[in-house]
Amino acid sequence: GNSVTQMEGPVTLSEEAFLTINCTYTATGYPSLFWYVQYPGEGLQLLLKATKADDKGSNKGFEATYRKETTSFHLEKGSVQVSDSAVYFCALSDNAQGGSEKLVFGKGTKLTVNP
Amino acid sequence: KAGVTQTPRYLIKTRGQQVTLSCSPISGHRSVSWYQQTPGQGLQFLFEYFSETQRNKGNFPGRFSGRQFSNSRSEMNVSTLELGDSALYLCASTPRRGRGNEQYFGPGTRLTVT
Repeated sequence: GNSVTQMEGPVTLSEEAFLTINCTYTATGYPSLFWYVQYPGEGLQLLLKATKADDKGSNKGFEATYRKETTSFHLEKGSVQVSDSAVYFCALSDNAQGGSEKLVFGKGTKLTVNP
Repeated sequence: KAGVTQTPRYLIKTRGQQVTLSCSPISGHRSVSWYQQTPGQGLQFLFEYFSETQRNKGNFPGRFSGRQFSNSRSEMNVSTLELGDSALYLCASTPRRGRGNEQYFGPGTRLTVT
C-alpha cells in the first residue's frame, strides 16, 4: 500500500538557520504530495503541494520539489523564524485509486526554532 | 468564509460508553473526511463521505461509524469505547473530489476515555 516516511526529529534550530525535513514515499500510482503544518492546539493547515513530477510547491518561504526518480518531497526553508515552530507532516493522496480523498501521512516532525 | 468547525472540542468518556462527534464543513464543501491522531499511530484515515455516501473507509473496527447529512454536515460515532480510542479526531472538508485537492482541517475533538 501507499506510505510516507519522514525524518521524525525533533529538530531544533536557531533563528535564521536553514531547514530541511526529508520525506520519501511509496505509492502504486502517481500521487499528489503535500506538506501540512500543525501548530499547538490546532488542526492541520496546508503549507504547500505538488501534483506531478518536477513540480515545486512553495509558500511562506518553504519549498518542496516532487522528485519521482527518488520518490521524495523534501521540505526546505532558507531562514527559519521562531514562528515556524510547529509539527510538519508530509502526506500523499492517490486519487487514481477510485477517486479517494484519503490522505496518507508521515509520522510528523516537530520543529523548534530558538531566538 | 467560516472554517471547518467541530463540536465538542473536548470530551471525556468512560470505557464502554459511546460517543458522537460532529463536523460542519466549509460552506459549499461536499466531501468530508475523518482522521484519528494519536502519539503512537500518528494520523490515520477513518472514512470519507461525499453526497451522503461513504466513499472510502480506513482500517478501523466496525465500532467506528459515520454519516453525512444533506447539508454536508457529518457525524462520527464510536461505540463501546476503549482506552485506546483516546485521540484527537480531525475532520477535513474539500469542495470537490479529484487530483491534488486541498483538504481543510478543523481544530479537532480531543476525546479522552477513562
